[in-house]
Amino acid sequence: AQKITQTQPGMFVQEKEAVTLDCTYDTSDPSYGLFWYKQPSSGEMIFLIYQGSYDQQNATEGRYSLNFQKARKSANLVISASQLGDSAMYFCAMRETSGSRLTFGEGTQLTVNP
Amino acid sequence: GAVVSQHPSRVICKSGTSVKIECRSLDFQATTMFWYRQFPKQSLMLMATSNEGSKATYEQGVEKDKFLINHASLTLSTLTVTSAHPEDSSFYICSGTVSNTGELFFGEGSRLTVL
Repeated sequence: AQKITQTQPGMFVQEKEAVTLDCTYDTSDPSYGLFWYKQPSSGEMIFLIYQGSYDQQNATEGRYSLNFQKARKSANLVISASQLGDSAMYFCAMRETSGSRLTFGEGTQLTVNP
Repeated sequence: GAVVSQHPSRVICKSGTSVKIECRSLDFQATTMFWYRQFPKQSLMLMATSNEGSKATYEQGVEKDKFLINHASLTLSTLTVTSAHPEDSSFYICSGTVSNTGELFFGEGSRLTVL
């Protein structure tokens, strides 16, 4: 069975600074994908970044990068140059290739302070 | 990117009534639709998986007779909360995909309040 763990219920960061949101996972499937989503107070799920288990390079999308450490089974999200609009709930999720479902972590509430 | 339109975005109903939530994939054919439920300040919990033209597969602990899911076409899936009770008040969100490894597209979510 797969499991996603986000150990930081809440994180605070100053505007313009970088912040790392932690995510660890557990799976016996050798092929899987890791996702990060942002959920503002409106509730919509906004896709941020994706990392495949066989990808050699860490994924990057603008100010978002994924620190993928396969041996440690961690997939931390790094947000650089934080903006006030980054304040939201952030979810890490995993999808095994053997199945199509997406399993989410508990989420981290990020607050960016001016 | 592809769009999944979900409505209503908010619904308030009386206890004992039924509520239908629709998810439409506007520019792709969603062979599989996932329905999630999210309580305040909690994660998204998968309720069921539906494939077009077949019966939905429900997660353990989810009552299939209470949460009726229909996926009659490749562009429309519906979730009906039957005989709703206050404990069913939650945020319901759908997600569609073309294939097992395809990208997932989320609807905007529906906030249900049962009085």
